[in-house]
Amino acid sequence: QVLIVQSGAEVKKPGASVKVSCEASGYIFTTYSIHWVRQAPGQRLEWMGWINAGNGDRQYSQNFQGRVTITRDTSASTAYLELSSLNSEDTAVYYCARNPSGWYYLDNWGQGTLVTVSS
Amino acid sequence: ENVLTQSPATLSLSPGERATLSCRASQSVSSYVAWYQQKPGQAPRLLIYDASNRATGIPARFSGSGSGTDFTLTISSLEPEDSAVYYCQQRSGFTFGGGTKVEI
Repeated sequence: QVLIVQSGAEVKKPGASVKVSCEASGYIFTTYSIHWVRQAPGQRLEWMGWINAGNGDRQYSQNFQGRVTITRDTSASTAYLELSSLNSEDTAVYYCARNPSGWYYLDNWGQGTLVTVSS
Repeated sequence: ENVLTQSPATLSLSPGERATLSCRASQSVSSYVAWYQQKPGQAPRLLIYDASNRATGIPARFSGSGSGTDFTLTISSLEPEDSAVYYCQQRSGFTFGGGTKVEI
């Protein structure tokens, strides 16, 4: 069955960067895209960007332009989210999710990774 | 930016009752709306895509309808395990609505 497992919780200082991993199994990694969505405490889901795991095409939300980088390693069936210049408002649970390429809905989600930004 | 507005913010109902959740887009999104269920401490789960198609394994009591700017998620007969926050999502910008909390 499809399984998506994310890396563990992180605590970072303001100004630092964080890199979260998202390992997929149970399907052919390169035939889907991976999206990243975050959720600050008590807030709505916020879309951050996606990567086509097959050809590497990517798109980012304008809300994060210049601060976010999404990459993938096809040999490891893993996608990565890197967010730089962290501030307290970046404290959130970060989710990756599988997306049938060319569509918009997210049919399988990782368990989430809590990133806490604190001095 | 096409904004999704969900209503009501909270819905308090009893088991067996019918729940009707609304999602309104500021501009037409055709039928490209998905619905997700999120329970406390869990990741969202896809319920409905393309406004009315149930995702794999989703019980038949969940149904979706609508097109253009107005969409509805209906839970025909509430079960205790349906307590959750429900979000709609659109294709344009992949943005989400603010959510509706269903209390049972």
